[in-house]
Amino acid sequence: GAGVSQSPRYKVAKRGQDVALRCDPISGHVSLFWYQQALGQGPEFLTYFQNEAQLDKSGLPSDRFFAERPEGSVSTLKIQRTQQEDSAVYLCASSSNRATNEKLFFGSGTQLSVL
Amino acid sequence: QQQVKQSPQSLIVQKGGISIINCAYENTAFDYFPWYQQFPGKGPALLIAIRPDVSEKKEGRFTISFNKSAKQFSLHIMDSQPGDSATYFCAASRWTGNQFYFGTGTSLTVIP
Repeated sequence: GAGVSQSPRYKVAKRGQDVALRCDPISGHVSLFWYQQALGQGPEFLTYFQNEAQLDKSGLPSDRFFAERPEGSVSTLKIQRTQQEDSAVYLCASSSNRATNEKLFFGSGTQLSVL
Repeated sequence: QQQVKQSPQSLIVQKGGISIINCAYENTAFDYFPWYQQFPGKGPALLIAIRPDVSEKKEGRFTISFNKSAKQFSLHIMDSQPGDSATYFCAASRWTGNQFYFGTGTSLTVIP
């Protein structure tokens, strides 16, 4: 596709429900990132993949958060037993560069609201 | 601990004026400093970036000034236009790292 695609665009979940957020990176991009953006704040790093390998998951806030990229393209961020503090925009970004941080392309995000 | 501090939180500028946004960072290992522009409902988009081997970088109306000794960098938008109205984020990272540390953002409004 022309850019990074994320779905759904909006997700409302009841507290305790599990959710799955999808990211389709730009075709051929080896690096994929997930960021969490709280209202009025800058994005905060969650996790990083290079192809199918999850090389850094240091930003995942708890063991309720899980991310995968099994075939090195589409990625899914899963949040189990959602809590109100999980409400945020979840941004996915991809890059063609595996060695440097240059030129990340962000999707429009999934806005998660936990009631 | 906030790795990157950004100010001001909001900024209102007249059309044609200069918009200036400032950032400061803590970690001297950072060596890549991008600025991102974000419109409502969209993801951040890379605007301009600098590495510490230069003190200034200019692309069109956008200029980054970088002060390594002070651990500060700033974005200058010359001849600001209403279409520049957006939220701007500074960020810092290691060039070979995989994490950006973002500032808290500056909401810029350019009044016609």
